[in-house]
Amino acid sequence: DAKTTQPPSMDCAEGRAANLPCNHSTISGNEYVYWYRQIHSQGPQYIIHGLKNNETNEMASLIITEDRKSSTLILPHATLRDTAVYYCIVRYPLTNFGNEKLTFGTGTRLTIIP
Amino acid sequence: DVKVTQSSRYLVKRTGEKVFLECVQDMDHENMFWYRQDPGLGLRLIYFSYDVKMKEKGDIPEGYSVSREKKERFSLILESASTNQTSMYLCASSLPTGSNSRNQPQHFGDGTRLSIL
Repeated sequence: DAKTTQPPSMDCAEGRAANLPCNHSTISGNEYVYWYRQIHSQGPQYIIHGLKNNETNEMASLIITEDRKSSTLILPHATLRDTAVYYCIVRYPLTNFGNEKLTFGTGTRLTIIP
Repeated sequence: DVKVTQSSRYLVKRTGEKVFLECVQDMDHENMFWYRQDPGLGLRLIYFSYDVKMKEKGDIPEGYSVSREKKERFSLILESASTNQTSMYLCASSLPTGSNSRNQPQHFGDGTRLSIL
């Protein structure tokens, strides 16, 4: 799986959009970009994933650049409950059971400021 | 919503004890996973299972075993607990991979923080 680079920490004002960047310059053509987050003392929570096109769900939007070397996770109206560590992961489509594991990097610690 | 439930949030055991960690999911997922998470080491896969009674070793299976007798339940067993197994243990589940359902995300429980004294 390709390596990702994220800023170690970010702050965002409550009610504003939080934009979390991720660089994955070595991504290959069929690797997907996934985002998870982990709130303190809880298990990781799946947020969103995508391949080429921008994606949106009830939690967030994912914007992937045309060259796919970077992406941005957008939380449109951040609340205090969005304070967490956010992990960007790049992984191949899983075609055999040996590739199932997730590997988290150090992530971005997002703090929402009241 | 997917629900993955781990039997205990916090557990304290003694060295040499046999420890059972239980995980149940309610979404009829074929795949289930056990990870441990340690500061500075990230998430490491211990075992996973892609079907009832099937299991595969992950990256760090030594000292652990698993059991999957029913589709919804995946148990992690520490055969003889040691202090280096003090950790946060995370269970996850997902739909199967394959041409019709590739890239299914894994859904996690809230974890069991296990301390071995």
